[in-house]
Amino acid sequence: EAGVAQSPRYKIIEKRQSVAFWCNPISGHATLYWYQQILGQGPKLLIQFQNNGVVDDSQLPKDRFSAERLKGVDSTLKIQPAKLEDSAVYLCASSLVRGRTLLETQYFGPGTRLLVL
Amino acid sequence: EDQVTQSPEALRLQEGESSSLNCSYTVSGLRGLFWYRQDPGKGPEFLFTLYSAGEEKEKERLKATLTKKESFLHITAPKPEDSATYLCAAVPPLVFGKGTRLSVIA
Repeated sequence: EAGVAQSPRYKIIEKRQSVAFWCNPISGHATLYWYQQILGQGPKLLIQFQNNGVVDDSQLPKDRFSAERLKGVDSTLKIQPAKLEDSAVYLCASSLVRGRTLLETQYFGPGTRLLVL
Repeated sequence: EDQVTQSPEALRLQEGESSSLNCSYTVSGLRGLFWYRQDPGKGPEFLFTLYSAGEEKEKERLKATLTKKESFLHITAPKPEDSATYLCAAVPPLVFGKGTRLSVIA
């Protein structure tokens, strides 16, 4: 079974530029999550999708971050404009169960490492 | 504020030297606690979910336990391949700790 795919793996940009990350979840997984992991910290949930609808985006900085999941499969996370403090690893995860409980086992991708200069 | 605190931040063990990692939480109405393993440059890998105080789960050299205020990850006779960062997370609302970096020296 193929795992969660993410691209690019690395990205270096200047502050105030825009950047987009892509995630392809495990086939058949209804729920998709985006996390931000700053060096030395645990992952922080940014947004949770169930199929193509948003379940929770309470920690997404909506003035600069946006995410979509068209057709309930792939997802993109965008930052515009980027700030220095956005330097982090952006992780995508997916889970099978069509639930809202956050108790489902999540399968993580390898992440995209972003450096903002 | 919901918090998850892991200790120690880093742990260095000799191969075969058993120890425990701690995860304390202050979330109210805990519904589940996760343990994940994260290798450098990779995403977290699921280990266990614990749902209620007194529950225990085992996998190879790892055993996770849960009380009303904390969880422990016991590592018995660790090997160098157990070296990783171990993360715990409490639900709701899904808050991760900073992790414990474990190094096992041959």
